[in-house]
Amino acid sequence: GAVVSQHPSRVICKSGTSVKIECRSLDFQATTMFWYRQFPKQSLMLMATSNEGSKATYEQGVEKDKFLINHASLTLSTLTVTSAHPEDSSFYICSGGVEEGYTFGSGTRLTVV
Amino acid sequence: RKEVEQDPGPFNVPEGATVAFNCTYSNSASQSFFWYRQDCRKEPKLLMSVYSSGNEDGRFTAQLNRASQYISLLIRDSKLSDSATYLCVVRGGANNLFFGTGTRLTVIP
Repeated sequence: GAVVSQHPSRVICKSGTSVKIECRSLDFQATTMFWYRQFPKQSLMLMATSNEGSKATYEQGVEKDKFLINHASLTLSTLTVTSAHPEDSSFYICSGGVEEGYTFGSGTRLTVV
Repeated sequence: RKEVEQDPGPFNVPEGATVAFNCTYSNSASQSFFWYRQDCRKEPKLLMSVYSSGNEDGRFTAQLNRASQYISLLIRDSKLSDSATYLCVVRGGANNLFFGTGTRLTVIP
């Protein structure tokens, strides 16, 4: 089945710094990868869809200049949280797959202090 | 209106009980439906897909009602290990997934 590797699993950073999160598809070619965010006790919310070789598609209300997505190859998609603020603290998770029932990365718990 | 709506619960049931979750979706053009399980502070994991004809996997049965736009999950003979949040997930036209808020289940000894 599709395997997605995500890292780091946990990161603590200072306000104003940037954090990069990587998602790699290990056994399939991911032309599309989805990035979600989950706040405590809430559901996963789609932030953006990354497309290999083209610009990402952002959901309404998600700042594309703050959440930079790069999908330069069929096996790697990255999300960079720029100028992070405490309100960006959340669980970020990617998802991809080639068949029904997409697989998720293990998630990145970001804490901005 | 949300794409997918679920009763957040919590559902607290004794071991061995049967419990059912429902969710509704708003986009009648949705094609694929799933139940995911999410344990605390972990990523969601696919529990089962939901087909129009209904499908069963051991103690778990999923059903889809397209006319009423709802999906159900039935768990029989609940185990302590079934305690988790169950997410109703619908695939949209752009292949992205829409999640319900999840229904929290706690199985009590």
